[in-house]
Amino acid sequence: GQQVMQIPQYQHVQEGEDFTTYCNSSTTLSNIQWYKQRPGGHPVFLIQLVKSGEVKKQKRLTFQFGEAKKNSSLHITATQTTDVGTYFCAVQQETSGSRLTFGEGTQLTVNP
Amino acid sequence: DVKVTQSSRYLVKRTGEKVFLECVQDMDHENMFWYRQDPGLGLRLIYFSYDVKMKEKGDIPEGYSVSREKKERFSLILESASTNQTSMYLCASSLWDREAFFGQGTRLTVV
Repeated sequence: GQQVMQIPQYQHVQEGEDFTTYCNSSTTLSNIQWYKQRPGGHPVFLIQLVKSGEVKKQKRLTFQFGEAKKNSSLHITATQTTDVGTYFCAVQQETSGSRLTFGEGTQLTVNP
Repeated sequence: DVKVTQSSRYLVKRTGEKVFLECVQDMDHENMFWYRQDPGLGLRLIYFSYDVKMKEKGDIPEGYSVSREKKERFSLILESASTNQTSMYLCASSLWDREAFFGQGTRLTVV
């Protein structure tokens, strides 16, 4: 099946530090989505990237899609305690229709 | 707002029982998905459906089956529950190539 690697698995930061999680696919993607799951909650959609080299920003969050459409990153500037949770990438492959495959997630802890 | 509703938040079943997990969405989405979530393993796709009566196996379909008789409802069936199926089960729905909306999850314990 679709191989999606997400690193790191865990990240502990001090409040105010930056955070980055990376997502890598073995195949070309039609799109990549990012989700956040708060402790005890369910995944909630953050953003979708479709175009090669695309960069999107949401306040302190910056999302990038690689030129080859095989990798992506999520960067958070100056983390806050409200950023705590697990961040997942999810991918749809060009040849797999509507199958949506998730990475293993990066669990972010922010120390105040 | 899109609403995805799973029939139970918590469920305890005995080994060997047949278990039904129900999921209903109210936004006329074509796609529906069943995932299980275990610590350190992320969300693993069990089955998904892109239309009524259409289904495809995900990455871990063994021990599970699904049913989609109506567009809004997607059921996950554990034919004979086993302890290694103790997990959090998440249902989601989406339009064809758009974001997924998740239900609250069902925490299933098989004893």
